[in-house]
Amino acid sequence: QLQLQESGPGLVKPSETLSLTCTVSGGSISSSSYYWGWIRQPPGKGLEWIGSIYYSGSTYYNPSLKSRVTISVDTSKNQFSLKLSSVTAADTAVYYCARLEVVPAAMPFDYWGQGTLVTVSS
Amino acid sequence: SSELTQDPAVSVALGQTVRITCQGDSLRSYYASWYQQKPGQAPVLVIYGKNNRPSGIPDRFSGSSSGNTASLTITGAQAEDEADYYCNSRDSSGNHPFGGGTKLTVL
Repeated sequence: QLQLQESGPGLVKPSETLSLTCTVSGGSISSSSYYWGWIRQPPGKGLEWIGSIYYSGSTYYNPSLKSRVTISVDTSKNQFSLKLSSVTAADTAVYYCARLEVVPAAMPFDYWGQGTLVTVSS
Repeated sequence: SSELTQDPAVSVALGQTVRITCQGDSLRSYYASWYQQKPGQAPVLVIYGKNNRPSGIPDRFSGSSSGNTASLTITGAQAEDEADYYCNSRDSSGNHPFGGGTKLTVL
């Protein structure tokens, strides 16, 4: 059974960089059938796609966050990571990592991590 | 535009049928995926592609699409179906926007 687990600091100071890692177990991050993504959810609000990465390193970012986001992959560790720079209180959210399955004319997020709350506060 | 629009809230009587819709230009080219989220839990994929259910999802959940609108239908809604539902799709630029979510209340 595939499992994804987010890890990283739960508290980040304003203007600093938020860094999270997603560890994938029960499957290979190097499979050609999947992308890997980050999604966030501010308290009481909806889901927001942050970005996605292929095992080769090819990335796609939400245009509204693109200037501050970097997603990378480490196939040797079966992990992918998120960095979000210059954070503000508006970046306080539960951050999820998830797998995207490549199917015809669709790419659903079929497996999700449990999510990790990151609070931006001094 | 890659935006997806959902009604904020919908209600259904126990055992009745409810349709939750999602509108967006990208849905003319790509299928929507639908996610159920209960309080304090991660979202769960319930429908993807033309009308596919992951293993373990009850067959009362179904999906359809027409033009720029995708729909999630729950036939015979149960109390445990009360949750937030989000649609999601991809667009030609590789973005994966989510709709704003629909809160389903089962009366």
